[in-house]
Amino acid sequence: QQQVKQSPQSLIVQKGGISIINCAYENTAFDYFPWYQQFPGKGPALLIAIRPDVSEKKEGRFTISFNKSAKQFSLHIMDSQPGDSATYFCAAGRGTGANNLFFGTGTRLTVIP
Amino acid sequence: NAGVTQTPKFQVLKTGQSMTLQCAQDMNHEYMSWYRQDPGMGLRLIHYSVGAGITDQGEVPNGYNVSRSTTEDFPLRLLSAAPSQTSVYFCASSYIAGAYEQYFGPGTRLTVT
Repeated sequence: QQQVKQSPQSLIVQKGGISIINCAYENTAFDYFPWYQQFPGKGPALLIAIRPDVSEKKEGRFTISFNKSAKQFSLHIMDSQPGDSATYFCAAGRGTGANNLFFGTGTRLTVIP
Repeated sequence: NAGVTQTPKFQVLKTGQSMTLQCAQDMNHEYMSWYRQDPGMGLRLIHYSVGAGITDQGEVPNGYNVSRSTTEDFPLRLLSAAPSQTSVYFCASSYIAGAYEQYFGPGTRLTVT
């Protein structure tokens, strides 16, 4: 059973546009929601993370929106650039105890110049 | 710091062969983990360790063994390789268990024929 559901599977956006990736989770015990970025041939790297005590977190062009009641969170990439072309994974886990993260299936983003 | 290192980068095995995937980190992280990445499946946790001498199973542990004799090293053993274990394997580490950034290695691409 997939603990974290991610959509879309792939996304094509024009340069300068907004990229939006959505995730949903079931386990209400989850209280840590990171997003990881992976370039081809590389390991994933942390992009941005949020705890459920806030509804939004922004770092540069990247924003996480969090809806606790709907058990959903999303990544928004503003002014998308060709260098943002990568696979993005959302994840969820408990912030204490064993740091086991459950990852979504990934979204391959392509930003067209 | 080298971060998280993995060897080998690529490996081809025949069904039934055994091998060990090496993982090392030089950041003095307590938590280490192994994931496999398959198309459309995201990253799935195989085994994890919260400190030297302590290991536990993740989502997909069957067919794999781990040990953690030192803080730095966390090898993954395939006992009798099967085609279903064809995947890209990532090792990751973080400061301690909890809501901390996980640092991923570059991955090992394993093919079992």
